[in-house]
Amino acid sequence: GAGVSQSPRYKVAKRGQDVALRCDPISGHVSLFWYQQALGQGPEFLTYFQNEAQLDKSGLPSDRFFAERPEGSVSTLKIQRTQQEDSAVYLCASSLALGRWYQETQYFGPGTRLLVL
Amino acid sequence: GENVEQHPSTLSVQEGDSAVIKCTYSDSASNYFPWYKQELGKRPQLIIDIRSNVGEKKDQRIAVTLNKTAKHFSLHITETQPEDSAVYFCAASSTSGSARQLTFGSGTQLTVLP
Repeated sequence: GAGVSQSPRYKVAKRGQDVALRCDPISGHVSLFWYQQALGQGPEFLTYFQNEAQLDKSGLPSDRFFAERPEGSVSTLKIQRTQQEDSAVYLCASSLALGRWYQETQYFGPGTRLLVL
Repeated sequence: GENVEQHPSTLSVQEGDSAVIKCTYSDSASNYFPWYKQELGKRPQLIIDIRSNVGEKKDQRIAVTLNKTAKHFSLHITETQPEDSAVYFCAASSTSGSARQLTFGSGTQLTVLP
């Protein structure tokens, strides 16, 4: 079946612009995660949804970052007033999340490469 | 919070040799340890994972070992092939509370020389 998809794949923004990044998880996946991956580094956690509920947003670097998943499927990560340090690859991942005590595999999307000039 | 350290950062091996990548974690509540392979410009892809109730898991040329007491886990790739060349990330997570996020290591660039 279809995997996790993200759009756009590439985004160039001028400093101060707002951007919106979209994630389409695997159909039926309950959990959705956003990660930020700087060049040459491992992904770093930003925020986590279970259905439409945002259960953890402790990784969001500032109040310029906002994420939503209003219908428990597609999610959008919004960055307001972009800064050069926001340049990175933004990865989305989804998982089935069947049980409270069982960690399901996270499947990643291809990412959105954001460049802020 | 959890901290994962990964070594080495770069690793070159001859085709057919074995490669070993090691990770340590800090949170004793962590109970799930996946390994991802990421080719340049591509998405991370799960290659193998291990849960804290087992000490070793093998899938063809790939194996992972876990030492809960020492809080370290390792990836072993045998009979390496040029297509194994990529960046490999270890990660850890727990099921305590509502936390489900993965904490990643900094990655190992594996190069398999033909």
